[in-house]
Amino acid sequence: GENVEQHPSTLSVQEGDSAVIKCTYSDSASNYFPWYKQELGKRPQLIIDIRSNVGEKKDQRIAVTLNKTAKHFSLHITETQPEDSAVYFCAGPWDMRFGAGTRLTVKP
Amino acid sequence: EAGVTQSPTHLIKTRGQQVTLRCSPISGHTSVYWYQQALGLGLQFLLWYDEGEERNRGNFPPRFSGRQFPNYSSELNVNALELEDSALYLCASSGEVEQYFGPGTRLTVT
Repeated sequence: GENVEQHPSTLSVQEGDSAVIKCTYSDSASNYFPWYKQELGKRPQLIIDIRSNVGEKKDQRIAVTLNKTAKHFSLHITETQPEDSAVYFCAGPWDMRFGAGTRLTVKP
Repeated sequence: EAGVTQSPTHLIKTRGQQVTLRCSPISGHTSVYWYQQALGLGLQFLLWYDEGEERNRGNFPPRFSGRQFPNYSSELNVNALELEDSALYLCASSGEVEQYFGPGTRLTVT
């Protein structure tokens, strides 16, 4: 299956700052790159995804960028708010193996 | 539209026992995935079913098994429970590639 590495494992930012989480993958045939958010005690929820035919996708304060040459994709959160505090997971395609997760803390 | 449902919500079992967890996908979704999430840790891929067939399985022993029914619902069976099987078991369904998760079943093995 796809190997997906996610960094950093923890990230602490001040409210209003930006946060960036990065995932690298190994399968050159990968064509779908999702990000999930899991708040404490809740189920993971898809927050944004990108397909390999585009390099960037934005949805309000969140964006995902894809670098197919380097085989990595990143989640960008701008103007962070305390409610952005959660664990974020990237996933590989096909069997959807997940990265290890990044615990984001946004300090007010 | 109803989301992914799982049953039971919570379960307490004794080491050595067997357990069956159930998942109903979103209507129209043919793929079901099972994940194990130990407390505070990541999502470990268990099994992927599509159109009634097992498509892939993660690095778990054979005592973890499952099946998918003609209506695309799925069961996860765990035999000979061990203490380290205590975790949240999440089911997800997809129609194409986007996954939608159920609320999970919290299994405690004592």
